[in-house]
Formats: sequence, C-alpha cells, structure tokens
Amino acid sequence: QVQLVESGGGVVQPGGSLRLSCAASGFTFSPYVMHWVRQAPGKGLEWVAVVSHDANNKYYADSVTGRFTISRDNPRNTLFLQMNSLQSEDTALYYCARETRGSYFFDNWGQGTLVTVSS
Amino acid sequence: QSALTQPASVSGSPGQSITISCTGTSSDVGSYDLVSWYQQHPGKAPKLMIYGGNKRPSGVSDRFSASKSGNTASLTISGLQAEDEADYYCCSYAGRSTWVFGGGTKLTVL
Repeated sequence: QVQLVESGGGVVQPGGSLRLSCAASGFTFSPYVMHWVRQAPGKGLEWVAVVSHDANNKYYADSVTGRFTISRDNPRNTLFLQMNSLQSEDTALYYCARETRGSYFFDNWGQGTLVTVSS
Repeated sequence: QSALTQPASVSGSPGQSITISCTGTSSDVGSYDLVSWYQQHPGKAPKLMIYGGNKRPSGVSDRFSASKSGNTASLTISGLQAEDEADYYCCSYAGRSTWVFGGGTKLTVL
C-alpha cells in the first residue's frame, strides 16, 4: 500500500537550517507530483511547496519563498525540503502529500515530522 | 495567498445533517472546480474526503457530499455518526501552481 514516511524534523535555533525527507513506497514515485503541507501546533493546514514529477518545476507559498527549497530524487523515491533561515513561525508538523498529476488534490499523506524553531 | 474562510466549529446530533462552508475569492474557489475536503482526527494525518468539487474517493461514505456556488464551497455530512467527529479542511487550487487551505472546522457530534 502507499506509504509516505517523513523524517528529519527536530529542534533548531532561529536562523538555522534543517532538511526534511519523505520516503515513498508502495507505488511508482516518479509519475506523481509531490507537496509539502505544514500544520503549526493547534492550527490549521498550510500548503508549503510543490515539485513536478520530473523536478523541473517548483512552486512555493509566499511565506517560505526564498528560504525553502523543495526537491526530489526519483531513483531513490524520496522527496526533500531544505529549510533555511528558519523562524519561530515555521514551527509545525510537516507533511508530505501525493498528487496524481493534474488532479489538484492530495490523495495520500504521510504522518508528518515535527520541526520546532526555538532558542 | 489568504486562507479560505471556514466556521471554527459546527455541531450536530447523531443522524442529523450538517454543512460546513468554505469561502474564498474569485481567484481560487470561484475560478476552479478544484476544491477538495480533508478530514483530520486528533493526532492523525489528513484524509481526503472529497475532490474535484463533489467526487468521493473509493471507500469514503456517500454520507459525504459537496457543492459550490460562486466563491463558496460547502461540505455536507448526512446521517451524522460519532466517528465523523473531527476537524475538516477545505482546499482550493489558487492558480499559478499554488494551493490554499481553509482555517479548519471542528465538528462535534453531540
């Protein structure tokens, strides 16, 4: 069955960096568009970034543009999110989510990895 | 990229129907039939309930339905059951390869 497993979260100081990973299994990774969505503690969902199936196209929410970079390694079935210049407002549970190309919705989600930005 | 507007909470008794609204703008909800709805139980990942405006994935009960009028989408749950108690989020494609979520609605089954 489809599995998305995030890792790489942790505690980081303001201004620091962190790299999240999302390991995909149970399906052929390369044809799918992949997203990162985050959820601050006790808050709602916020879309963060998307990468096309071939990694040629990447788009970001205004709140992370210039600080976060989404990427993927199709042979390794892995999605990444490089987060730089982290701020307290970036504290959240980060989910990776799958989109069938052209569907515009998220049909499978991981369980999330927690990022805490605190001094 | 302003969040879509949802009521913070709704409630209903078992067997009743409830509707959750999701108001956006002419740049997102109003421009595309691409609203999806997600259910999230405490401590769990979101689960897709509705896509493409009013389509249900395999395995989702037909008690869940959705509609849209102008800039407002709505999710209706009929025949409320205890297990429906959860947070519900709408999401719309917002153009230029961006997406926007609603603030979420907490459903309480009385």
